Amino acid sequence: DVKVTQSSRYLVKRTGEKVFLECVQDMDHENMFWYRQDPGLGLRLIYFSYDVKMKEKGDIPEGYSVSREKKERFSLILESASTNQTSMYLCASGGSVAYNEQFFGPGTRLTVL
Amino acid sequence: RKEVEQDPGPFNVPEGATVAFNCTYSNSASQSFFWYRQDCRKEPKLLMSVYSSGNEDGRFTAQLNRASQYISLLIRDSKLSDSATYLCVADGSARQLTFGSGTQLTVLP
Repeated sequence: DVKVTQSSRYLVKRTGEKVFLECVQDMDHENMFWYRQDPGLGLRLIYFSYDVKMKEKGDIPEGYSVSREKKERFSLILESASTNQTSMYLCASGGSVAYNEQFFGPGTRLTVL
Repeated sequence: RKEVEQDPGPFNVPEGATVAFNCTYSNSASQSFFWYRQDCRKEPKLLMSVYSSGNEDGRFTAQLNRASQYISLLIRDSKLSDSATYLCVADGSARQLTFGSGTQLTVLP
């Protein structure tokens, strides 16, 4: 079974703090993704990566950055957290060319005070 | 217009009922389609991939209609444990996926 793990299930930070969310997958997938999910807005893609040291902006990259130094690890960084970044953050990985399904980690519920 | 649209529901059905969800997608170039299930406060989990002519997995049947650009999910003999939000998904550019906002299902005893 694919396993995607995220560093924290719940996180509380203060406005202006730098926040690191870590994601690790164990299936040697090339593709990794960061989403946020908010009530009524569904899943929105923040950033994704197809390879080590490669990153692409998704639909809502503002206020976020990412890092992919190793194939199995994809980090999401909030340089200066703001209250509107309070959300559920979901990491996903996927690797198949033929069937590009994605597998999600358990999510990190981030609250910014 | 949203790229993937679903009726948000909620659908409240009795145990044993058959329920169907429809979903439309706007990108005619989409090639891969999926249904994900998401329980409250949990991550989405892949329920089914939707193949070109549809496919069946136990009580679940998925259909794809490319001409009309819609995907359906049929659940037969509903169980209490089927209560969840069902996300319709289509692939977009490159290897990205576009998720619908989900349809909420509650199966009542």
